[in-house]
Amino acid sequence: SAVISQKPSRDICQRGTSLTIQCQVDSQVTMMFWYRQQPGQSLTLIATANQGSEATYESGFVIDKFPISRPNLTFSTLTVSNMSPEDSSIYLCSVVGSLEWGTDTQYFGPGTRLTVL
Amino acid sequence: RKEVEQDPGPFNVPEGATVAFNCTYSNSASQSFFWYRQDCRKEPKLLMSVYSSGNEDGRFTAQLNRASQYISLLIRDSKLSDSATYLCVVNPSNTGKLIFGQGTTLQVKP
Repeated sequence: SAVISQKPSRDICQRGTSLTIQCQVDSQVTMMFWYRQQPGQSLTLIATANQGSEATYESGFVIDKFPISRPNLTFSTLTVSNMSPEDSSIYLCSVVGSLEWGTDTQYFGPGTRLTVL
Repeated sequence: RKEVEQDPGPFNVPEGATVAFNCTYSNSASQSFFWYRQDCRKEPKLLMSVYSSGNEDGRFTAQLNRASQYISLLIRDSKLSDSATYLCVVNPSNTGKLIFGQGTTLQVKP
């Protein structure tokens, strides 16, 4: 299976600031996604991170609030901009599509636990 | 109506019990289906894919009924280590964009 790391693992931030979360995979993958899991809730897809082009956002999520980069096949970042307490969540990256471990299974990173004061 | 619906539970069962979780999905064109397991403060991990013919992996059996848009997971001989939240997951279009149910919490007690 994939080895996926996220940095930071957790952070406590002040309202109005921004935080960039990094996701690194140990092998090249076809697709990378960013999800949010709010307290007591299930996962909601934020966007698909596209290599070399703008991310594709789901309804309710916009680029100005959640800019995403994906410069290559193993790395992506998600920025949570101008944070408010409502942004307190766990943010998870996920990957699918690797020659090593198949193209069907989606693996998740360990998550970044964000608390906004 | 939510795209994927699950009974949130919690299900509290004794060790050795058999427990079944159900899930319904709204998009009849959905392509693939999964059960993920999420432990407290951990990321979701794939438990098993769900096929139309039904599939079994040890103590776990998954069933799919496309006509009823219904997915089930059966756990036999429950272990303490089975305690977790079980997420019903649907891939509506084989794009990799997963739709998650809210999860069903299982607590297995000695």
